[in-house]
Amino acid sequence: SAVISQKPSRDICQRGTSLTIQCQVDSQVTMMFWYRQQPGQSLTLIATANQGSEATYESGFVIDKFPISRPNLTFSTLTVSNMSPEDSSIYLCSASLGTSGIEQYFGPGTRLTVT
Amino acid sequence: GESVGLHLPTLSVQEGDNSIINCAYSNSASDYFIWYKQESGKGPQFIIDIRSNMDKRQGQRVTVLLNKTVKHLSLQIAATQPGDSAVYFCAGAVYNFNKFYFGSGTKLNVKP
Repeated sequence: SAVISQKPSRDICQRGTSLTIQCQVDSQVTMMFWYRQQPGQSLTLIATANQGSEATYESGFVIDKFPISRPNLTFSTLTVSNMSPEDSSIYLCSASLGTSGIEQYFGPGTRLTVT
Repeated sequence: GESVGLHLPTLSVQEGDNSIINCAYSNSASDYFIWYKQESGKGPQFIIDIRSNMDKRQGQRVTVLLNKTVKHLSLQIAATQPGDSAVYFCAGAVYNFNKFYFGSGTKLNVKP
């Protein structure tokens, strides 16, 4: 298994600013992912964070708005840029072990409120 | 992409009873399905998965059933306990794509 931590756990930000969320895994993992979850709703995949290359974004998400870094096999960051109230959400990172990616482990999430 | 949806948003059961949470999916190409449990304020926690070439898989107190004919997935929890109260999500994925598409979730309330 893998233990995943995220920083910050929550934040309140002003419109137009940016926030970088950090995700740390306690072991080397093949793949890392970023999700968004509106309170009381399901998870939507934002992007796959690839080590050593650009992230792969899902439809509706773009690099300018959600730049992602993955400098090594245990760490990734997601930046929410030029925030608006619509970006208020819970942001979760996850990691999968091995190449099959069958079992994903999730961090506790970062609750973002944009005012 | 995958579209995975759930039949019921909320399920209330009595402690000790069995719970059945249902999920429908649309993508026949999904290679496997996973059930996650999410408690309030926490990230989803893996419960059990099933490959598309199986129709049943059992874990500790949980059983997942897959009916590919009608594209239906269910999670059965035996002897439901208060600690089982959470939101349950099903997710579908295509092998090697390593991306999961989550359903809308069912909130399970266990009454003492």
